[in-house]
Amino acid sequence: NAGVTQTPKFRILKIGQSMTLQCAQDMNHNYMYWYRQDPGMGLKLIYYSVGAGITDKGEVPNGYNVSRSTTEDFPLRLELAAPSQTSVYFCASSPRPHLGEAFFGQGTRLTVV
Amino acid sequence: GNSVTQMEGPVTLSEEAFLTINCTYTATGYPSLFWYVQYPGEGLQLLLKATKADDKGSNKGFEATYRKETTSFHLEKGSVQVSDSAVYFCALWDSGGGADGLTFGKGTHLIIQP
Repeated sequence: NAGVTQTPKFRILKIGQSMTLQCAQDMNHNYMYWYRQDPGMGLKLIYYSVGAGITDKGEVPNGYNVSRSTTEDFPLRLELAAPSQTSVYFCASSPRPHLGEAFFGQGTRLTVV
Repeated sequence: GNSVTQMEGPVTLSEEAFLTINCTYTATGYPSLFWYVQYPGEGLQLLLKATKADDKGSNKGFEATYRKETTSFHLEKGSVQVSDSAVYFCALWDSGGGADGLTFGKGTHLIIQP
């Protein structure tokens, strides 16, 4: 039972480079989310999706893009990396958001230098 | 908008001490409330939840009661263990907010010393 799988676990990017953070879930959840976690700041919602083909912006979407072509996958794209995007990124999925049962991946620690 | 405020950390306690981590919230609708726990190097895990006023969520010896009159959801445990050392996040999901996801507090780092 894999749950939510994120890759890579760690990455160092140079300013201006691009990358895609992968997220996959095997629980057939419709709802998926991307958060970033900065020290002492809690988690901020970047983007979310309520099903395949449907995505929407969260609180801090600038500098990121997402797609949701299948129920299982929800990749996060950084087009032009900036130092402000240094953070830990968490992907989560949920079958029923009103019950708050979000299942989180182990995170991707990204450093932009 | 929605927000969650929880006590600043780190909180350092001795093993078997009583724990309280305060959490208060503001919400535009009628929220569900949650505590998540993050162990070192891991993602967040749901610890407990309460979906309506006066509900008490409990799990692994932790408890929290949904107090609408004081807009609070304080986390308590009667006797903490070293293994409880982690970061604890209070969160809400507002039914009036659609599928925007959970709103989290900043987290409280709990350190339990033997």
